[in-house]
Amino acid sequence: DAGVTQSPTHLIKTRGQQVTLRCSPKSGHDTVSWYQQALGQGPQFIFQYYEEEERQRGNFPDRFSGHQFPNYSSELNVNALLLGDSALYLCASSAKGRQSYEQYFGPGTRLTVT
Amino acid sequence: KQEVTQIPAALSVPEGENLVLNCSFTDSAIYNLQWFRQDPGKGLTSLLLIQSSQREQTSGRLNASLDKSSGRSTLYIAASQPGDSATYLCAAPGGSYIPTFGRGTSLIVHP
Repeated sequence: DAGVTQSPTHLIKTRGQQVTLRCSPKSGHDTVSWYQQALGQGPQFIFQYYEEEERQRGNFPDRFSGHQFPNYSSELNVNALLLGDSALYLCASSAKGRQSYEQYFGPGTRLTVT
Repeated sequence: KQEVTQIPAALSVPEGENLVLNCSFTDSAIYNLQWFRQDPGKGLTSLLLIQSSQREQTSGRLNASLDKSSGRSTLYIAASQPGDSATYLCAAPGGSYIPTFGRGTSLIVHP
């Protein structure tokens, strides 16, 4: 049983560019959440997708957008990259859209903006 | 808005010690609390999930307790080993259901 997978592993972009990160949830899970983790900090919640809809959103600007596909996989898009967007981006999945279910995390995508 | 604090921020202990890591949260209307382990530059590994109706959970040498009324959770690690060296994070969703993480406790267990 594959766990949560993310791609790519590492990414280097230039300020002002756009980036797309991808996540496949654990088998049997239908809810995907995205987090940004800066160095030395805890993960910050970006948004959560369930039934292809954005369900909850944290305190992130509209430059951060997402999508969930019918197979439950998800993408995170970031436009007009800033140096401060450099971070580890984590995807987490959970089952059946229920808030009480355990979250499982992927290995993350390390984004560096130069 | 939920705020989560973890104490201590860092801990260095000799192998074999029993450890207590603390997590406090401001909004007690949580539906669960989850403890994670994170190795440097890696994703998070779930250690224990405590539902709001539970007081504790155990897995091997790990035991986590939850006291909603006081807004506290503790993670107890028995007989620590060098392989336990990592950052330990707790996450407590508040009334808005948005998961809020602490900054973590960085643990080093030396032989």
